[in-house]
Amino acid sequence: QVQLVQSGAEVKKPGASVEVSCQASGYTFTSYHVHWVRQAPGQGLEWLGIINPNTGSTSYAQKFQGRVTMTRDTSTSTVYLEVSSLRSEDTAVYYCARDRATHNGDYYMDVWGKGTTVTVSS
Amino acid sequence: EIVLTQSPATLSLSPGERATLSCRASQSVSGYLAWYQQKPGQAPSLLIYDASNRATGIPARFSGSGSGTDFTLTISSLEPEDFAVYYCQQRYNGLTFGGGTRVEI
Repeated sequence: QVQLVQSGAEVKKPGASVEVSCQASGYTFTSYHVHWVRQAPGQGLEWLGIINPNTGSTSYAQKFQGRVTMTRDTSTSTVYLEVSSLRSEDTAVYYCARDRATHNGDYYMDVWGKGTTVTVSS
Repeated sequence: EIVLTQSPATLSLSPGERATLSCRASQSVSGYLAWYQQKPGQAPSLLIYDASNRATGIPARFSGSGSGTDFTLTISSLEPEDFAVYYCQQRYNGLTFGGGTRVEI
């Protein structure tokens, strides 16, 4: 079945970086874009950006430009999210989610990972 | 950035009742709007895309309507499993989510 399996919870100090992974299975990895979305405790959803696993091209939300990096490894069907210069406000559950449409994508998300909790605390 | 405002923040209803959720955009998003459902401790799941198209496997009691700046998600008869938080999302200009509506018993 189609699924996205994310890495485990992380605890980081302010100023550090964190990398979260998301391994895809059950479909052709390079055919669907992957989004990253986060959710702070008790809050709503916030989009970080999108990666095209076929080409590696990315598009980031303006708020996160320069502080997030999305990459992929086609040999393992895995996408990665790195967030640098962490602050307490980055404490959240980070989700990867597959775009609904193949190739160019339509920017709707139909398959989600279970989420990775990132806690930033001194 | 396009801001999506959802109302009401909380909707208190009983099983079998009709739920009507609203999402208003700060500028037109044409028909490029989706709805997601999120249950406690779970990831969101896609219900509706392009304002009125049900995603795969979504029951017919869920319907979406609207265009431009005003959109509605209707649940015709609430089932116990429908009590959750619902988010709208636009993809017309960038990608943003609304603040959510909690549907509670």
